[in-house]
Amino acid sequence: TQLLEQSPQFLSIQEGENLTVYCNSSSVFSSLQWYRQEPGEGPVLLVTVVTGGEVKKLKRLTFQFGDARKDSSLHITAAQPGDTGLYLCAGEGNNAGNMLTFGGGTRLMVKP
Amino acid sequence: NAGVTQTPKFRILKIGQSMTLQCTQDMNHNYMYWYRQDPGMGLKLIYYSVGAGITDKGEVPNGYNVSRSTTEDFPLRLELAAPSQTSVYFCASSFPETGIQPQHFGDGTRLSIL
Repeated sequence: TQLLEQSPQFLSIQEGENLTVYCNSSSVFSSLQWYRQEPGEGPVLLVTVVTGGEVKKLKRLTFQFGDARKDSSLHITAAQPGDTGLYLCAGEGNNAGNMLTFGGGTRLMVKP
Repeated sequence: NAGVTQTPKFRILKIGQSMTLQCTQDMNHNYMYWYRQDPGMGLKLIYYSVGAGITDKGEVPNGYNVSRSTTEDFPLRLELAAPSQTSVYFCASSFPETGIQPQHFGDGTRLSIL
């Protein structure tokens, strides 16, 4: 069974601060996806990283895939209240159904 | 373009009752999935399907059944509701492309078993 450990579980910061969310596993994934979920809605894909060492930027969000494709990080620069939400990482293994293994999530609150 | 639609949005069941959670997608996606999300947690895969007529178990299938008679629809059935099945249920779909498999989620069904 592939497991993804996400940390921290909760994060409460002031507007303008930086933060990093980590997603770690002992398993290798063919891709790593990051989702953001708001209350009462389903997760929405932010980015997919595929290549070991890959870095992708989405405005103030920077995503990195570890060289060995076992871990990933999400860094947010100058967080804003609109960044508040549940951030989920999900690893895609080499399986017939292209199933995703989700981390436990990081609940972020950005206070104005 | 509606994407993935789940009904109902909310439901309260008594222990032992049965119900079907509906999921339909209009993106012609082959792959469909059912997840449950407990409070403050990530998603756990219940069942999935790679095409009409094909279904398979995920991580937590006990107490649930699925069917996939069409590409569009993937209903999830609870036969004997138990309090442990109180959760938010999400349906998702994807269209396999080489190396990248983003999933599109519905807005969920919030189910309480009392």
